[in-house]
Amino acid sequence: AQKVTQAQTEISVVEKEDVTLDCVYETRDTTYYLFWYKQPPSGELVFLIRRNSFDEQNEISGRYSWNFQKSTSSFNFTITASQVVDSAVYFCALSVPNDYKLSFGAGTTVTVRA
Amino acid sequence: SQTIHQWPATLVQPVGSPLSLECTVEGTSNPNLYWYRQAAGRGLQLLFYSVGIGQISSEVPQNLSASRPQDRQFILSSKKLLLSDSGFYLCAWMGEGTSGSSSYNEQFFGPGTRLTVL
Repeated sequence: AQKVTQAQTEISVVEKEDVTLDCVYETRDTTYYLFWYKQPPSGELVFLIRRNSFDEQNEISGRYSWNFQKSTSSFNFTITASQVVDSAVYFCALSVPNDYKLSFGAGTTVTVRA
Repeated sequence: SQTIHQWPATLVQPVGSPLSLECTVEGTSNPNLYWYRQAAGRGLQLLFYSVGIGQISSEVPQNLSASRPQDRQFILSSKKLLLSDSGFYLCAWMGEGTSGSSSYNEQFFGPGTRLTVL
């Protein structure tokens, strides 16, 4: 069975600060896929990134960056120079081939104060 | 491109009343479909998923049911709502793709229905 842990329930920062969201996963499969979703106050989940288990390259997209480390089973997400619009709940998720389900973490609520 | 619709967007219902939430997907065929519930300030709970017409898998036994009468339609129902059914209901579909020599599954979510049971 797959498991995703997001130990941080809430994070509050002041605008322009960096914020890092932790995600630790468990799976016995050697092939798996990791995801991050953003849920703004409107409620809809917005897909941010997918990472395959065989690709450990870190990724940067604008102010967003992801650090995938198989050695520690972590897939952490950093928002650089945070903005008020980054305020949302962020979910980390995991899936494996031939499984119809995504395993979600409990989510981390990020509040960015002006 | 694929789109997913949910309605209604918001709903206020009395305890004991029936429920019907609808989800439709456009631009894809034979998708896997999912219903999630999110209680206030909580994470996502998978309720049902379907891999085809008439095929429903239940993750959590409760007073809700799901049906898939058409390929791209997924309905969440209840005969009698409870206070604890209040929450944000999200429909999702799963797309498959390939990355190099590997395939992956990715879920795309609808806008959600906010249900308040009074």
